[in-house]
Order: sequence, then structure tokens, then C-alpha cells
Amino acid sequence: DTAVSQTPKYLVTQMGNDKSIKCEQNLGHDTMYWYKQDSKKFLKIMFSYNNKELIINETVPNRFSPKSPDKAHLNLHINSLELGDSAVYFCASSQDELAVSYNEQFFGPGTRLTVL
Amino acid sequence: GNSVTQMEGPVTLSEEAFLTINCTYTATGYPSLFWYVQYPGEGLQLLLKATKADDKGSNKGFEATYRKETTSFHLEKGSVQVSDSAVYFCALSPNTGGFKTIFGAGTRLFVKA
Repeated sequence: DTAVSQTPKYLVTQMGNDKSIKCEQNLGHDTMYWYKQDSKKFLKIMFSYNNKELIINETVPNRFSPKSPDKAHLNLHINSLELGDSAVYFCASSQDELAVSYNEQFFGPGTRLTVL
Repeated sequence: GNSVTQMEGPVTLSEEAFLTINCTYTATGYPSLFWYVQYPGEGLQLLLKATKADDKGSNKGFEATYRKETTSFHLEKGSVQVSDSAVYFCALSPNTGGFKTIFGAGTRLFVKA
């Protein structure tokens, strides 16, 4: 039983294309996140949704657009892909922090995006 | 603002050596503190946590103590194994509003047989 799943695991595409990455969690969590991890393993938060509402929107090009059809899903669409978008993208989820005293996050396996 | 600083890697050790990875933080109030581990080709997973001062988190032989006086949460293990080779992330989560967990830059650990 995969807790947080992402598809696809690998994505190779040409510059200028549009692509989407999907994420689903079966943990019943209220909050989901997208992170970008660069080649040096630095982890940068991009977006977060709580109960389908956008709550964190870091400085990210507007070519990146998240979409949460329901609280179990958070997809990431990227328009006009650029070389610098090559990275590993991680989806994560956590319980609503009001219900717990800490905010442990559960991560998906990642999607390695390569832009040629 | 909130921030996490951890020692730069890579850290290379021989099997059965003692491990310390330093982590210090800056935060308002009393955050929760975490260590996450990322094995090659995988996502991050929680290794241990501590939610208040003087708490000790422990798991799989790893330990870290929440030290408010030194704003530190150093990770230690008495005897590392090759299977511990991974990237380790120190992180904090504010307990007063907001959902944003702050991650350190990560420290890569290599353990040689």
C-alpha cells in the first residue's frame, strides 16, 4: 500500500514542451506539497495545498501551476519547459497541523524530470 | 525568520565508526525538530523527531537531542553501517501557525566497508 505515489517516475522531454506530474496520497492527510530537489540535493518548497486551498506559493515561475482536484491529489503542470527545470520533483503530504503537535511529512518516491 | 544550518558534506566514514552530523536552527517560539533520511533513488522519510526542549528522538540506532540553550539538534550514531549511506536532512516545523517545514541543505554520508 503506497502512501504517497507519483507518476511518472521518470520524464524526459524537449525544451518548450508542456508536461504534468501527478501525485496521490491515501493517508487521509489534509495538506500536500510540491518540492524541487536540485542536483546538489537542496530541497526547495514550491507549493502547498490544505484542503484544496493554496496556502504556500513560493517564488516559482508562473509556468508552474499546481492543481488540487480533491485533498488526496495534487498535480503539477509545467508549461514551456526549460533546461533549468531539470530536477527531481517530490510530492509530500501531512496532517493538518492543528490536529497534531508536530508536522511530519510523508514523501513520494520522486519524479526525475530531464529537459533536453 | 526560521532557518536550519547543517554541516556540509560529504561525510565519509568506515563501517562501525561514530557519526555526528551537526544541525543548528533559528526559530521563534518552540518548533518541532526532525531528521529525515533520503536513500539513493528514494524520497525522504522521517528518521526521528523531537517536539520540545530536552526531548531525545531515536530510531535505528540514531539519536538527536533537542537543545534549546544551544539551538541544536545534532544527529549521532555509535556505529555506522554501509546501509546508512544516504543524505540526511535536518528540519524544523514551527508550532505556531503555518505549514512550512524548513529543511537544511542536506548532508551526504558515505560509509565504506
